[in-house]
Amino acid sequence: DGGITQSPKYLFRKEGQNVTLSCEQNLNHDAMYWYRQDPGQGLRLIYYSQIVNDFQKGDIAEGYSVSREKKESFPLTVTSAQKNPTAFYLCASRKNEGVQPQHFGDGTRLSIL
Amino acid sequence: AQSVTQPDIHITVSEGASLELRCNYSYGATPYLFWYVQSPGQGLQLLLKYFSGDTLVQGIKGFEAEFKRSQSSFNLRKPSVHWSDAAEYFCAVRAKQSSYKLIFGSGTRLLVRP
Repeated sequence: DGGITQSPKYLFRKEGQNVTLSCEQNLNHDAMYWYRQDPGQGLRLIYYSQIVNDFQKGDIAEGYSVSREKKESFPLTVTSAQKNPTAFYLCASRKNEGVQPQHFGDGTRLSIL
Repeated sequence: AQSVTQPDIHITVSEGASLELRCNYSYGATPYLFWYVQSPGQGLQLLLKYFSGDTLVQGIKGFEAEFKRSQSSFNLRKPSVHWSDAAEYFCAVRAKQSSYKLIFGSGTRLLVRP
């Protein structure tokens, strides 16, 4: 079955450490997205990529970085510059056709040790 | 500024009762409208979407939503709630001229009494 796979499901980060969250999709979708979810705040866009080798900052990109070397993959790195990284991170993708909706993975919960 | 408001943080209903979750948006023109559901520790699942045409849209799991342009609203309804409907519900909008920007409401958590 096609879908979006995020790994790991739980991740712990030490102070000053960079960590990378994986997002892989086999839906042949063109665009991919990273959101951060905090309690009571809904979802906020971190980065998005419309096509391979191109990505754009979202609303809260500071302290994060991404790459899009393959159509299927859009990893997110949470750097040590992100001072409050504890959150639930969601990856999404969509086909760049008309009114196609975004589809979501099951998320990664990142916590600080 | 573009925004989505879900005025109810929590709603509790009895199993078998009807449900309405409110969503209001602020946009320059009628956007595309979505409702998503999220179970604890899971991703978001699309319930339904509105792009144009009939203002009453049907979705999965027996949900429907009605778009009211005059009220800038897109409320989600279900005639009879099941215990498995307990989850968090998010309304989202996307500008017609923008293929990437989804703006989410802050969510409404639904609790179902047995």
